[in-house]
Amino acid sequence: EVQLVETGGGLIQPGGSLRLSCAASGFTVSSNYMSWVRQAPGKGLEWVSVIYSGGSTYYADSVKGRFTISRDNSKNTLYLQMNSLRAEDTAVYYCARDESYWGQGTLVTVSS
Amino acid sequence: DIQMTQSPSSLSASVGDRVTITCRASQSISSYLNWYQQKPGKAPKLLIYAASSLQSGVPSRFSGSGSGTDFTLTISSLQPEDFATYYCQQSYSTLPTFGQGTKLEIK
Repeated sequence: EVQLVETGGGLIQPGGSLRLSCAASGFTVSSNYMSWVRQAPGKGLEWVSVIYSGGSTYYADSVKGRFTISRDNSKNTLYLQMNSLRAEDTAVYYCARDESYWGQGTLVTVSS
Repeated sequence: DIQMTQSPSSLSASVGDRVTITCRASQSISSYLNWYQQKPGKAPKLLIYAASSLQSGVPSRFSGSGSGTDFTLTISSLQPEDFATYYCQQSYSTLPTFGQGTKLEIK
């Protein structure tokens, strides 16, 4: 059974850093197209970053240069390193495999 | 970036109604269009992929159509569990983008 479990969210001050993790089971992260998608409170969905099985990575303009997507094959885990956080980064962050499987989300709140 | 525009933004309907939501892409995306359902506090759920293919386990009252720039999601006979927010999403470009969502409410 495919499962995705996100951790690492929390309250962080503007300008701070946070790393989100997405532990996968039931499939191999490195063999799949993996994404981070976020949803600000009361707002729609925004695709933040993707990593293809070949290793290519892409970012939304809103996070380019601040966020880094990566994976650890030995741990079968996807990561999102978030630096220089802003209030507008406050959201629930979901990891997803392809478009079919989603985690439950982890809340990141950027506030002083 | 490819912009996705959904209409309407909100919709009131009754159980048993037939409902159609439209999605327009800012450029041709062939059939690289997916539809999701999201309920409050939950992750999105894939309903339709490749514009018209029904995801496994999704009831057949849901259907999708279109290609190029114009797409539709149709629910043939609304059920109580269908009241939710629906999003279209293009997977044509290397970074996908979503429409702004359509909130389907009970009349």
